[in-house]
Amino acid sequence: SQQGEEDPQALSIQEGENATMNCSYKTSINNLQWYRQNSGRGLVHLILIRSNEREKHSGRLRVTLDTSKKSSSLLITASRAADTASYFCATLWDSGAGSYQLTFGKGTKLSVIP
Amino acid sequence: NAGVTQTPKFQVLKTGQSMTLQCAQDMNHNSMYWYRQDPGMGLRLIYYSASEGTTDKGEVPNGYNVSRLNKREFSLRLESAAPSQTSVYFCASTLTGVSEAFFGQGTRLTVV
Repeated sequence: SQQGEEDPQALSIQEGENATMNCSYKTSINNLQWYRQNSGRGLVHLILIRSNEREKHSGRLRVTLDTSKKSSSLLITASRAADTASYFCATLWDSGAGSYQLTFGKGTKLSVIP
Repeated sequence: NAGVTQTPKFQVLKTGQSMTLQCAQDMNHNSMYWYRQDPGMGLRLIYYSASEGTTDKGEVPNGYNVSRLNKREFSLRLESAAPSQTSVYFCASTLTGVSEAFFGQGTRLTVV
């Protein structure tokens, strides 16, 4: 399986603290993406980082990618109660003949306590 | 814009029944995907369609079939439902094969 693995599985922090989630994967990728899912809802795309990029920022989000270690991290700064959700990393990889698969990890459940 | 629309939102089937989950996107996206989400398992890819007229198996295709009816629509069919197919099913689409995915709100399927 190409599935990535997030770490930790669950994270509980106080509002205002930073939250860091990690993702490891198994094979060469085209890009890596992070998604958020609120309970009972669909996934929402947060940020995409290409394989030739090392760091990317979007608002309070910072993503790093280390292709030599096949790992990525998502940092949410100054967390808010509204950030409570599950966060998934997804790897996009070439499955052959110019076709790409987007494979998800099992997610990190983040709880931000007001 | 509606984005990605899935129907139905909820469904209960008896073992052995068949049904088709519908997915449509209005963003002129080329690629479409079907995933299932089970507790503790994350999302697993069932089938995908890189472009109109093509479909490929993902990680867990057994027990499912798909049809890319046109560029907008990608349906998932369960020919003979089994309790192991109880899950939440998500459809997604991407503009290109390498861009971000947009998801529908999901179909919660229970097979009894």
